[in-house]
Amino acid sequence: GAGVSQSPSNKVTEKGKDVELRCDPISGHTALYWYRQRLGQGLEFLIYFQGNSAPDKSGLPSDRFSAERTGESVSTLTIQRTQQEDSAVYLCASSLVIGNYEQYFGPGTRLTVT
Amino acid sequence: GENVEQHPSTLSVQEGDSAVIKCTYSDSASNYFPWYKQELGKRPQLIIDIRSNVGEKKDQRIAVTLNKTAKHFSLHITETQPEDSAVYFCAANLLINAGGTSYGKLTFGQGTILTVHP
Repeated sequence: GAGVSQSPSNKVTEKGKDVELRCDPISGHTALYWYRQRLGQGLEFLIYFQGNSAPDKSGLPSDRFSAERTGESVSTLTIQRTQQEDSAVYLCASSLVIGNYEQYFGPGTRLTVT
Repeated sequence: GENVEQHPSTLSVQEGDSAVIKCTYSDSASNYFPWYKQELGKRPQLIIDIRSNVGEKKDQRIAVTLNKTAKHFSLHITETQPEDSAVYFCAANLLINAGGTSYGKLTFGQGTILTVHP
């Protein structure tokens, strides 16, 4: 079946502008995660969704970052007033929850803030 | 929270040799340990995983071992091939209670760049 998809694949934006990144999880996966991966670095947890609620937002770096999820499907990550340090690849992953922890990743959105 | 350390950061081997990547974790309650392979510009792909009630798991040329007492786990790749060249990430899963629910939270190591020379 279809895997996790993300759009856009690449985004170049000017400092100070807002951006919205989209994630479509695998159908039936109730858990959804957002990660940030800076160049040459590991994956940094941002936020977790269970259905459309976000019980863990502890990884969001600042109040410029927010995320929403519609039901158990699409999620959007919004970064307001982008800064150069926001440049990174933003990865989304989904998983079945109960007793099953495997996370399946999307291809990521490469964000460049100029 | 959990902390995962991964070594080495880079590893260069000749085709046919074995490669070993090691990770340590801090929270003894972590219960699931996946390994991901990420090729340049691609998404991380799960290649093997192990749960805390198992000491070793093997899948063809790759194997993972887990030592719960020492809180470390390792990835072993035998008979390496050039197509094994990639960045490998380990992770440890910890059940987190948040907002009245519990979920598995992965903490990742910093990655190992594996290069297999033909």
